Amino acid sequence: GESVGLHLPTLSVQEGDNSIINCAYSNSASDYFIWYKQESGKGPQFIIDIRSNMDKRQGQRVTVLLNKTVKHLSLQIAATQPGDSAVYFCAENIRGGKLIFGQGTELSVKP
Amino acid sequence: NAGVMQNPRHLVRRRGQEARLRCSPMKGHSHVYWYRQLPEEGLKFMVYLQKENIIDESGMPKERFSAEFPKEGPSILRIQQVVRGDSAAYFCASSPGQGTLKEQFFGPGTRLTVL
Repeated sequence: GESVGLHLPTLSVQEGDNSIINCAYSNSASDYFIWYKQESGKGPQFIIDIRSNMDKRQGQRVTVLLNKTVKHLSLQIAATQPGDSAVYFCAENIRGGKLIFGQGTELSVKP
Repeated sequence: NAGVMQNPRHLVRRRGQEARLRCSPMKGHSHVYWYRQLPEEGLKFMVYLQKENIIDESGMPKERFSAEFPKEGPSILRIQQVVRGDSAAYFCASSPGQGTLKEQFFGPGTRLTVL
């Protein structure tokens, strides 16, 4: 039969709350990870990255955590704002080649 | 400093026609990647090119699709004899090509609609 399109997981938060978006990656050889934000009709926008020799990296209002044991990434956004509403993708990379993207999570911020 | 540029932003083709998508990388970037995104899905890798070389085309369909990145000018993704299933957003990314861990900067995408 015909395949049905997938619906993205959705996270709904109140403005000012903290958001946590999770991602499982597939390849234990991946050595570089990036979180991208994608707004409707636009290309992915870089948020933060982390190398495999680190387990935490902080940016402005964002923190990425990497757990290589269970191949898990998370993105924490502090004091979430309406402008943060978008789809968030994690991506893994091996030695500078192609990016492998996760499914994505839609973040909806309620004012 | 201009970012990655793609044109056209929207492209409509009838079944059987050819589609040409162009990508100009960021200034100083010599590596280009093409990705395809279907609605409600993540981006899927298609091809990775350096100037005049295809580095990795493991994500390219075997037929009808081709890509190039000439010494001069933009990278071109070419789809021959388009079918409805080719309708998607096609994104180009570029990176500086120095070092092994490098961020990829994305363009705004070309949205292809096949009638």
